[in-house]
Amino acid sequence: QVQLVQSGAEVKKPGASVKVSCKASGYTFTSYGISWVRQAPGQGLEWMGWISAYNGNTNYAQKLQGRVTMTTDTSTSTAYMELRSLRSDDTAVYYCARGGVLVSFDYWGQGTLVTVSS
Amino acid sequence: QSVLTQPPSVSGAPGQRVTISCTGSSSNIGAGYDVHWYQQLPGTAPKLLIYGNSNRPSGVPDRFSGSKSGTSASLAITGLQAEDEADYYCQSYDSSLSEKVFGGGTKLTVL
Repeated sequence: QVQLVQSGAEVKKPGASVKVSCKASGYTFTSYGISWVRQAPGQGLEWMGWISAYNGNTNYAQKLQGRVTMTTDTSTSTAYMELRSLRSDDTAVYYCARGGVLVSFDYWGQGTLVTVSS
Repeated sequence: QSVLTQPPSVSGAPGQRVTISCTGSSSNIGAGYDVHWYQQLPGTAPKLLIYGNSNRPSGVPDRFSGSKSGTSASLAITGLQAEDEADYYCQSYDSSLSEKVFGGGTKLTVL
């Protein structure tokens, strides 16, 4: 069965960076893209971007351009999302999901809470 | 301000039918891009409910249905059950932004 398992919760100080991992299993990793979505406390879902696990092409939300980098390691079927220059309003649960820019997200990771606090 | 507009909340009694609207524009829903719907139960990750405007993934009850017309889409839930109490989000692609976009979410309360 398809599973996306994310890394554990993180606490970071403002200005630091965080890297969240998302390990996929149960399907051919390079056949699907991975998207990242975040949800601030009590707020709605925000699309952060997408990476093709086939060729590494990316598409980032304009709001995060310059601060976010998405990568994949096909040898371990793992996707990564790094967010730099963290601010307090980056505090959120970060989700990875299988799916691309024009298709639905059919499987989701369990979420990773990132807390940014001094 | 979300690109896709949903009502903040809807409610209904058990057994009733409710609908949740998702209003977009000519650069997203109106441009022909598919609408997808997600259900998020409290404290859990979102779950795909409807894809490609009106298709249900395996395992989703046929009480849930989706439709799309013009610049809007709708999610209908019939035979409302207590377990349907959750947040619901619509999603599409916006060609002006070149980004995937979500609606602001709708909280469904089962009375």
